[in-house]
Amino acid sequence: KNEVEQSPQNLTAQEGEFITINCSYSVGISALHWLQQHPGGGIVSLFMLSSGKKKHGRLIATINIQEKHSSLHITASHPRDSAVYICAVLKAAGNKLTFGGGTRVLVKP
Amino acid sequence: KAGVTQTPRYLIKTRGQQVTLSCSPISGHRSVSWYQQTPGQGLQFLFEYFSETQRNKGNFPGRFSGRQFSNSRSEMNVSTLELGDSALYLCASRFGPDYEQYFGPGTRLTVT
Repeated sequence: KNEVEQSPQNLTAQEGEFITINCSYSVGISALHWLQQHPGGGIVSLFMLSSGKKKHGRLIATINIQEKHSSLHITASHPRDSAVYICAVLKAAGNKLTFGGGTRVLVKP
Repeated sequence: KAGVTQTPRYLIKTRGQQVTLSCSPISGHRSVSWYQQTPGQGLQFLFEYFSETQRNKGNFPGRFSGRQFSNSRSEMNVSTLELGDSALYLCASRFGPDYEQYFGPGTRLTVT
C-alpha cells in the first residue's frame, strides 16, 4: 500500500463547480504539500501546511493531523484550473518528500 | 528574483551513455533536491543537497549521483543509461529544511 493515497484519480467538473481532492497518508509527517502540475511538466507549490487550514484565492487546503488526512478545495472552478494536483508529505523521519499519485482535474467551460 | 533554472530542458541519449543535468537554485537557497517523474512510478525523490553535503537519498541505484557546488548550483549524473531512465527530472530549491520548495521546469530525458 502506498504511503500517500489520493482520491479521486480523475475528476471532471463544469466551470463554476466546487472541487474537492483528498489525500490520506500513513506515516508521521512534519508537513504536507499540495502541488499543481500543468501539461508540459512545470510544478508549482500551492500550499505547505502542518496544521489547520490555508487559503489562497479560490484554493483552500485543510489538514487533520490526527486523522492523517488533507483536502484541497477549489471554489468556483475555472478551465485554467485544469491540471494534475499532487499531494506530497514530508516525512518526519528522514525529511524526504513522498508523493501521491496525483489527481487529474479537467474543468469544462 | 529569478526562479529555479534547469539545463538542458530536453535531452536524447543512447543506452549505455552517461548524462549530466544542471540545476541553479533561487538566489539565497542552500538546499537543492532532485526528483524523477515517470508515467509508471510517478514522482520519486532522488537526493537532497544542503551546503554541498548530501543530506538524504532515495532508493535509486548507484548509477544516479549528484553534487552541489559552493554557489549552491547542483548537478546530477546518471551513468550507463537504461531505457527506464527516460523521465522528467525535476529539481527544487528551498532556503532551508522547514521552508517551502520551489520547483524548476524540469529536464526531459529520453533514452533510446
